[in-house]
Amino acid sequence: NAGVTQTPKFQVLKTGQSMTLQCAQDMNHEYMSWYRQDPGMGLRLIHYSVGAGITDQGEVPNGYNVSRSTTEDFPLRLLSAAPSQTSVYFCASSFRTSGMGSSYEQYFGPGTRLTVT
Amino acid sequence: GENVEQHPSTLSVQEGDSAVIKCTYSDSASNYFPWYKQELGKRPQLIIDIRSNVGEKKDQRIAVTLNKTAKHFSLHITETQPEDSAVYFCAASPRQFYFGTGTSLTVIP
Repeated sequence: NAGVTQTPKFQVLKTGQSMTLQCAQDMNHEYMSWYRQDPGMGLRLIHYSVGAGITDQGEVPNGYNVSRSTTEDFPLRLLSAAPSQTSVYFCASSFRTSGMGSSYEQYFGPGTRLTVT
Repeated sequence: GENVEQHPSTLSVQEGDSAVIKCTYSDSASNYFPWYKQELGKRPQLIIDIRSNVGEKKDQRIAVTLNKTAKHFSLHITETQPEDSAVYFCAASPRQFYFGTGTSLTVIP
C-alpha cells in the first residue's frame, strides 16, 4: 500500500491563480480530510468527506473547494489564490475502528508546501 | 465546535529525564484522543492514542492518560532520548479531528 499520497510536493502561485492539490489513498478509508498547517497554529481542518459524494466544511473553508467522486481521491481546489493561503497542506484519511469505544484513526499524507506571491 | 488547548508550547529536558505535555478539550462528545509526532519537514505520525473508555495507555516509554471528568489528557515520555526531539500535537475527535497548537520538545544530550 502506498498509503496517502499528495501531489505536488511544492508549488508557487501568483495571487489570483487557481490550482488543485491532489490527494489519493489506497486503503479504502471512508473518511478523508484536508488541513492547513501554519506556524504556531497547529493543524486546522479545511474540508472533510465521510464518503464518496459527501463533503462538509471544517474550521477554515473559505477560498477552498473539494469534491469526492471516488473513495480514493479527494482533491482540494484553490479558486483564486491569496498570500494568506501560503501554508503547508496535509491530506489525511481515516477508518473507523471496531469494537468497544470505536473511533476514527487518522493517517497523513506527506504534505504540499504552497507559496502564494 | 471542539476547542483543544495544549501546553507548554516549548519544552526542553535533559536526556534521560521525563517530559509531560498536557491538553484540554471542550466537547464532551469527543471520544478519541491521538498524539502525533512531527519532525521537521515531515508529516505528523501517530505515536499513541487513547479512547474515552480507557483511563491510561502505555507503549514502551510513552504513556497517555485521560481524565474525562476534567476534560484533559496528557502525554508522558520517560527516559527521553535526542531522537524524541520533535513537535508533538494532541487532538480530540468527536468525528472530525481538532488539534492543539503543538509542543516543541528538545532533548538536550
